[in-house]
Amino acid sequence: GQQLNQSPQSMFIQEGEDVSMNCTSSSIFNTWLWYKQDPGEGPVLLIALYKAGELTSNGRLTAQFGITRKDSFLNISASIPSDVGIYFCAGRDNYGQNFVFGPGTRLSVLP
Amino acid sequence: GAGVSQSPRYKVAKRGQDVALRCDPISGHVSLFWYQQALGQGPEFLTYFQNEAQLDKSGLPSDRFFAERPEGSVSTLKIQRTQQEDSAVYLCASSPLRTGELFFGEGSRLTVL
Repeated sequence: GQQLNQSPQSMFIQEGEDVSMNCTSSSIFNTWLWYKQDPGEGPVLLIALYKAGELTSNGRLTAQFGITRKDSFLNISASIPSDVGIYFCAGRDNYGQNFVFGPGTRLSVLP
Repeated sequence: GAGVSQSPRYKVAKRGQDVALRCDPISGHVSLFWYQQALGQGPEFLTYFQNEAQLDKSGLPSDRFFAERPEGSVSTLKIQRTQQEDSAVYLCASSPLRTGELFFGEGSRLTVL
């Protein structure tokens, strides 16, 4: 079946640093979603991408839909303590309605 | 309410008991999804409804799992004869049909003893 890989698996950064993470797929997707999940909570939608090459920002977050349609990237600028959490990518292909999720990138921000 | 609402938030069941988890989606959202999230992993698809029609149940792990959405709004995920491996967080998401973005509830954490 479809699988997504996320890297890095976890990362420790200093407050104020920029963060980059990515998501790769063995399949072509037509939609990418990025989520953040805090402990004990459901995933919260950060950014949605619908077109290859699309670059979308939401405050300090910027995400890109890779031109191969098999990857996506999320960048966080000037990280702050509340950025701590697990970031998930999710992709959907042309054939179904459900999204496949990656295993997540765990972000820790050191003061 | 404004968001997806799930209940109960926490459920402890003895092995062999039946459980029912409820999801109240965002008003007007046609699509509803159930996902299972094991500890330390990403959500795994279980099933999908469009209005009252269950269009995809390919992710349901066994015939002990059953989902319904009889009036196209509230949905219930039922697990019969629970097993320890059913312990997980069950997430419900709803989606406006046009954009397809998923909006999740807070989840129901099931622990089977």
